Amino acid sequence: EVQLVDSGGGLVQPGGSLRLSCAASGFTFTDHIMDWVRQAPGKGLEWVARVRSRTSSFATEYAASVKGRFTISMDDSKNSLYLQMSSLKTEDTAMYYCTRSPLGRGPHDLWGQGTLVTVSS
Amino acid sequence: DIQMTQSPSSLSTSVGDRVTITCRASLGISNRLAWFQQRPGKAPKSLIYAASTLDSGVPSRFSGSGSGTDFTLTISSLQPEDFATYYCQQYYTYPFTFGPGTEVDIK
Repeated sequence: EVQLVDSGGGLVQPGGSLRLSCAASGFTFTDHIMDWVRQAPGKGLEWVARVRSRTSSFATEYAASVKGRFTISMDDSKNSLYLQMSSLKTEDTAMYYCTRSPLGRGPHDLWGQGTLVTVSS
Repeated sequence: DIQMTQSPSSLSTSVGDRVTITCRASLGISNRLAWFQQRPGKAPKSLIYAASTLDSGVPSRFSGSGSGTDFTLTISSLQPEDFATYYCQQYYTYPFTFGPGTEVDIK
């Protein structure tokens, strides 16, 4: 089955760190770009970060709101995507979704179920 | 950053109705526009990319049009499972940006 399974969310204090994971099955990263998208409680969607495959040297892009604090990466040997989050702020509280974007098509054709990150003291 | 706006922000409608949602970009984005559907408590689902191309498995009652700055999503005959929030997103340039969403609920 083609799917993405997000994990790693939880409660963390402001200034803390957390690593999110996304396990992919049913496809390989070679022909896809991977993104993280988040959604604060009761709010809309916000694109967070993107990573390209090994053939594109794992090139990355970030939203300004997370640049310098978050790092997106992929391990194609494990078919897994990660989001290392540091210096967390209360405004980072959100559901985080891993998504797949096939080459030559539109973004986010497949979504994980989401993992909730709560930043609070 | 490219700002995306949607109208209306919400609408109340009935099964069988025709629904049109508008999305506008603050700069021209060619046809780099996608639409997503999100049901309450669920992850979003891709409906349309490249402004008018239906994603795999999406019913033909959904259609998209537009280019440049103005885009529309049309549902020709609303079904019970279509009551949801709809988001547009530009992927012409980074950072990718979403519209604020249009909530479609039952009248």
